[in-house]
Amino acid sequence: GDSVTQMEGPVTLSEEAFLTINCTYTATGYPSLFWYVQYPGEGLQLLLKATKADDKGSNKGFEATYRKETTSFHLEKGSVQVSDSAVYFCALPPFGTDKLIFGTGTRLQVFP
Amino acid sequence: DAGVIQSPRHEVTEMGQEVTLRCKPISGHNSLFWYRQTMMRGLELLIYFNNNVPIDDSGMPEDRFSAKMPNASFSTLKIQPSEPRDSAVYFCASRIILAAAEQFFGPGTRLTVL
Repeated sequence: GDSVTQMEGPVTLSEEAFLTINCTYTATGYPSLFWYVQYPGEGLQLLLKATKADDKGSNKGFEATYRKETTSFHLEKGSVQVSDSAVYFCALPPFGTDKLIFGTGTRLQVFP
Repeated sequence: DAGVIQSPRHEVTEMGQEVTLRCKPISGHNSLFWYRQTMMRGLELLIYFNNNVPIDDSGMPEDRFSAKMPNASFSTLKIQPSEPRDSAVYFCASRIILAAAEQFFGPGTRLTVL
């Protein structure tokens, strides 16, 4: 069945460092792909999405490119801030459904 | 704009008691999801509704859990009787039924069963 695999966390970085959080997927067809972020004590919120192969989603300095060749959707940011500390989830809708399946989440900790 | 509203935000109860969690989706959204989040199991989809009709309840843990959506602006998740292992944060989310439409999450209800 469809699935999402994320790198284990926590990822610990200093402010202004480069960030990569890996996400790979298994899916029927070419679903839309999503990154959600969860700040402490809050619900998840959409960070960015891509709806077809080679699309790049971007928001708040974060980017992710839909790579069907490698079935990946890695999240990147060139210079992280302390305020980016959160848990990041990769997600996709299984074929023919309206729900999302989420990865296990990757915790990012950014220190000054 | 009001987002997804959940109540209560925190609930502490004793084992065996009935617990009811409430959700008001964003106006105009016609799909609603209930999730549970724990450290051990992560984020789990319990059930979702389209146009007030339950579509997939395969994530509901057992018969102690039930969910209803009597109209487009209200849903409940009930646990009866509650057990300590039900302690978790419960999220409600809503969306428009449209390809690639995002889910909007509520702030969650933190449930503690003693």
